[in-house]
Amino acid sequence: RKEVEQDPGPFNVPEGATVAFNCTYSNSASQSFFWYRQDCRKEPKLLMSVYSSGNEDGRFTAQLNRASQYISLLIRDSKLSDSATYLCAVPGRGGNKLTFGTGTQLKVEL
Amino acid sequence: EPEVTQTPSHQVTQMGQEVILRCVPISNHLYFYWYRQILGQKVEFLVSFYNNEISEKSEIFDDQFSVERPDGSNFTLKIRSTKLEDSAMYFCASSSGAPEDEQYFGPGTRLTVT
Repeated sequence: RKEVEQDPGPFNVPEGATVAFNCTYSNSASQSFFWYRQDCRKEPKLLMSVYSSGNEDGRFTAQLNRASQYISLLIRDSKLSDSATYLCAVPGRGGNKLTFGTGTQLKVEL
Repeated sequence: EPEVTQTPSHQVTQMGQEVILRCVPISNHLYFYWYRQILGQKVEFLVSFYNNEISEKSEIFDDQFSVERPDGSNFTLKIRSTKLEDSAMYFCASSSGAPEDEQYFGPGTRLTVT
C-alpha cells in the first residue's frame, strides 16, 4: 500500500451537491490526519484536522476509520468556491514530516 | 491571524547558481519545515528543523541543500548549485510544538532554474 493514496478525480458536481473523498494511509501508528485545500499554484491551506473518530465544521465533515486505515472528507451543499484540490496529509513515523496524497480535484459547476 | 511569510515569491536563476529562499515562521512555533511541489506533482517533504538542528530529512534533501535559522525569526533554505530539476514551488511551514501537530504553510516561492 502507498503511504497516502487518493483518487485524483476530477469530481465534477453541480452546485448544492454532496460529495465525498477518501484517502487511504499505510502508517497505522499515525494519531492525527489532515485535510488541506489547495487552489491552483497556491499553498496548501489547512481545512480540517482529525484526531479521533471525526470532526465537523459547517458543511465539512471528516471521518476516520482506523480499522480500514482511511479518512474521508464530506462536503455538503457544494458551492462554486469549493472548487479546488483537496489534499490528504498524514504524519510520518517520526511524527515530524507530513506525507501528502496526490490530491483530489473538485469542480463545482452551475 | 498569524501567518507564515516567504520571500521572494518568484526566483529565476541560472543552472549552477546558489539560491537562498527565506521564510518567517509563525512567531511562537517551534518546528519548521520545507516542502517542495514540482508542477503537476504532489507536495513532498524536504526537511524539518527543531531546536536549531535538522530533525528529519528526505532523500531529496541531499548535500546541495542546507537550512539555517540565522536569527530569531528567519528560516532559510539554501540550494548550493541549482539544477533544472530543482524548478518547483518551495513551501515553508511551521507548527507549534508536539509531533503530529497542525502545520501551517507559507505562500511559497516559485523557483525557476534556466
